[in-house]
Amino acid sequence: QSALTQPPSASGSPGQSVTISCTGTSSDIGGYKYVSWYQQHPGKAPKLMIYEVSQRPSGVPDRFSGSKSGNTASLTVSGLQAEDEADYYCSSYAGGNNSPYVFGTGTKVTVL
Amino acid sequence: EVQLVESGGGLVQPGRSLRLSCAASGFTFDDYAMHWVRQTPGKGLEWVSGLTWNSGSIGYADSVKGRFTISRDNAKNFLYLQMNSLRAEDTALYYCARDKNPAYNYGGPQDYWGQGTLVTVSS
Repeated sequence: QSALTQPPSASGSPGQSVTISCTGTSSDIGGYKYVSWYQQHPGKAPKLMIYEVSQRPSGVPDRFSGSKSGNTASLTVSGLQAEDEADYYCSSYAGGNNSPYVFGTGTKVTVL
Repeated sequence: EVQLVESGGGLVQPGRSLRLSCAASGFTFDDYAMHWVRQTPGKGLEWVSGLTWNSGSIGYADSVKGRFTISRDNAKNFLYLQMNSLRAEDTALYYCARDKNPAYNYGGPQDYWGQGTLVTVSS
């Protein structure tokens, strides 16, 4: 399984929106509804922000939203805040018993 | 509060073995599948292995199959990763992660992660 492709960086000013793309194939993103997004601050563990393409876990602000079209998933952060500056990784289910999950290359979001 | 605390990492020579542990608390451990995921600066996040709530089904990434063994002790609330024949490319921060489901290959996600334990393979 190859890693999902994300842009290395994205940025926006406080209050603006930023959208991160995550491109895979019909064997992962395009084939299942199981796309997740994780936020990771430096030196910290990944935190689940979105699952099943667009579902938010309890406690995650509704400024975070997810979507999918074909083989590409997207994470949008609206109303950017300073604490949103972090690395973001997408992940997709790819089926099977071995290597069922593939992760994205990661995007560094900078709040200007 | 869900807590996952990894231990057992360290510096090890190529070809040697290491056993990672993950202590789980704050939830009913045997209701959930568990995973090991590793992270390197160069390759990012990589799923390593997972198993169902009762160890009935287990999976491995091709990169570790035949060398790593995942297991769990539901009575003690522990997850393990036995790593044999270690290679330089196994150098990474290893995370223990809980699945949202009882099965590890049911789509996920991995909803809680530990802080990780660092494994360095070098002579």
